[in-house]
Amino acid sequence: AQTVTQSQPEMSVQEAETVTLSCTYDTSESDYYLFWYKQPPSRQMILVIRQEAYKQQNATENRFSVNFQKAAKSFSLKISDSQLGDAAMYFCAYRSGSAGGTSYGKLTFGQGTILTVHP
Amino acid sequence: GAVVSQHPSRVICKSGTSVKIECRSLDFQATTMFWYRQFPKKSLMLMATSNEGSKATYEQGVEKDKFLINHASLTLSTLTVTSAHPEDSSFYICSARDRALGDTQYFGPGTRLTVL
Repeated sequence: AQTVTQSQPEMSVQEAETVTLSCTYDTSESDYYLFWYKQPPSRQMILVIRQEAYKQQNATENRFSVNFQKAAKSFSLKISDSQLGDAAMYFCAYRSGSAGGTSYGKLTFGQGTILTVHP
Repeated sequence: GAVVSQHPSRVICKSGTSVKIECRSLDFQATTMFWYRQFPKKSLMLMATSNEGSKATYEQGVEKDKFLINHASLTLSTLTVTSAHPEDSSFYICSARDRALGDTQYFGPGTRLTVL
């Protein structure tokens, strides 16, 4: 079974600074997807960024970028120019790329990292 | 963008009663919906996978007779907590997946259940 580990329960950053959230995962599959989700105080889950395992290029979305190290099974999220609105709980998630099965598409989440942004 | 709604957003019920939570995909057809449970400041725990027109697949340790899931249409899945007890109090979140949208899962806003 796949596991996702976020070793930082809490992180903090000054506004306008850069912060990196860590995530490691364990899998025997070669085809999979990795995600970072943000859950603000409203508790609405918001997709931040997505990475396909077969792509060597790291995904980027504006101020958000990932460092995907497939051999090391590491998938960290870098937030640049942090804003107050970035304060939230961040979850790393894994999804198998294998089609079929009744649980196809299910996500395995890490424990989450609470990010605080100081003005 | 794809929108998933949940109703109700919060519900308070008495111990022993049943509560139904609805999850709807508003602008796309969801062949698969997922139900999660989340405790405060904790991760999402997958309870079950709901496929339209077939029985739900429950994760290990989740009581299927207690958490009834129905996915009768491509836009609606329901979770019924039967004979609710205080320990069932939690935040329940659904998500929906649409292959036409690149297989991304879209999440509902969640339902806070409090059992007295």
